Amino acid sequence: EIVLTQSPATLSVSPGERVTLSCRASQSVSSNLVWFQQKPGQAPRLLIYGASIRVTGIPARFSGSGSGTEFTLTISSLQSEDFAVYYCQHYDNWPPFTFGPGTKVDIK
Amino acid sequence: EVQLVESGGGLVQPGGSLRLSCAASGFSVTNKFMTWVRQAPGKGLEWVSVIHAGGRTDYSDSVRGRFTISRHNSENTLYLQMNSLRPEDTAVYHCARVNDFWSGTQRHDAFDIWGRGTMVTVSS
Repeated sequence: EIVLTQSPATLSVSPGERVTLSCRASQSVSSNLVWFQQKPGQAPRLLIYGASIRVTGIPARFSGSGSGTEFTLTISSLQSEDFAVYYCQHYDNWPPFTFGPGTKVDIK
Repeated sequence: EVQLVESGGGLVQPGGSLRLSCAASGFSVTNKFMTWVRQAPGKGLEWVSVIHAGGRTDYSDSVRGRFTISRHNSENTLYLQMNSLRPEDTAVYHCARVNDFWSGTQRHDAFDIWGRGTMVTVSS
């Protein structure tokens, strides 16, 4: 089973800052990776699929990159509504699907 | 509007059973892969089960043999029958649509629509 690790576990940032979140896979998942945003009490929201393709309606400040085992989600200028937990998840040769443990982005 | 609404959660004793429902609107569950994902209190997301458009089913190791995913086409509803429940099954259970996005010739299976979830508590 492919294991995803995310770093850092928590990131304290100020609005307007650039944020870079990391997701690493225990073996190659090609570009078969998505990113979700989850706010407290809400369902996850799909941001990125195919490692770098932004879902329709997701603001351009969100971008994804990477392939193989190393992936990055970047928020170019953090807005107040972006404080949340971010999860990566792969869909390479599923099942199973596996999620990373998440990175919490909170207010500095 | 495309929407998923879960129901059926509650408090159940260890060893008991529960059936969760996920009512879909705005699309047909028959034509899509559908999945269940759970989240224990204060924890991350854990994939539970998927039903393919053709009817094949898959499960995580932690629930295989105890949980059964199914769908009722005319009611446009997804189900999760949970038997032999354990305290570690305590979680919010979300259903989600697995949509096939395409970039060129490559298919991407992404969970694009989620329900808000239903809470299952397994405790004596």
